[in-house]
Amino acid sequence: EVQVVESGGGLVQPGGSLKLSCAASGFTFSGSGLHWVRQASGKGLEWVGLIEGKPKNYATGYSASVKGRFTMSRDDSKNTAYLQMNSLKTEDTAVYYCVTGVTTTGFDCWGQGTLVTVSS
Amino acid sequence: QSVLTQPPSVSAAPGQKVTISCSGSSSNIGNNYVYWYQQLPGTAPKLLIYENNKRPSGIPDRFSGSQSGTSVTLGITGLQTGDEADYYCETWDSSLSVVVFGGGTKLTVL
Repeated sequence: EVQVVESGGGLVQPGGSLKLSCAASGFTFSGSGLHWVRQASGKGLEWVGLIEGKPKNYATGYSASVKGRFTMSRDDSKNTAYLQMNSLKTEDTAVYYCVTGVTTTGFDCWGQGTLVTVSS
Repeated sequence: QSVLTQPPSVSAAPGQKVTISCSGSSSNIGNNYVYWYQQLPGTAPKLLIYENNKRPSGIPDRFSGSQSGTSVTLGITGLQTGDEADYYCETWDSSLSVVVFGGGTKLTVL
């Protein structure tokens, strides 16, 4: 079964750090780009960034709102991608989804999401 | 404020047809493929349309996508109460070098 499963969410204080994981299965992970998309409660979808697969030399890209604070990485031997979040702000509070395209060029594989709450 | 503009809400009766628009610019919709997602309450989004007008396996042909210039439209025919959801358009913005989403449209089936 094709799936991605996020973990690592939780409560963190402003200025703190958190690392999310995205475990993938059922498809060729090393060749796939992985994106993170977040959604604040009652709000729309916001793209956070991506890390490409091996064919594209693991290039990364980030939204302006997280650039310089968030870092994406991956371990293809574990079929897992990571989102390291530093200098967290209250506005980073959201459900974070790991997403990828497996059978189409769109985001056809979504995880269940993991909730990150930044609050004192 | 989203780079892609969608109406906040649309509504129609069961069995009817509804369209949801998404407008952008030459740096996004005008020169890149557009994707549509359906998000039912409390669930992760699901891909409905890819590359402007293609349907993934399992998506009924009641859902369609079209593009004209810097705008795209999602069409849903034979509306069902189960279609009540939020719908998002998405594409790549070549000028910003980021993925962009529309603000989302809430569909109500009256």
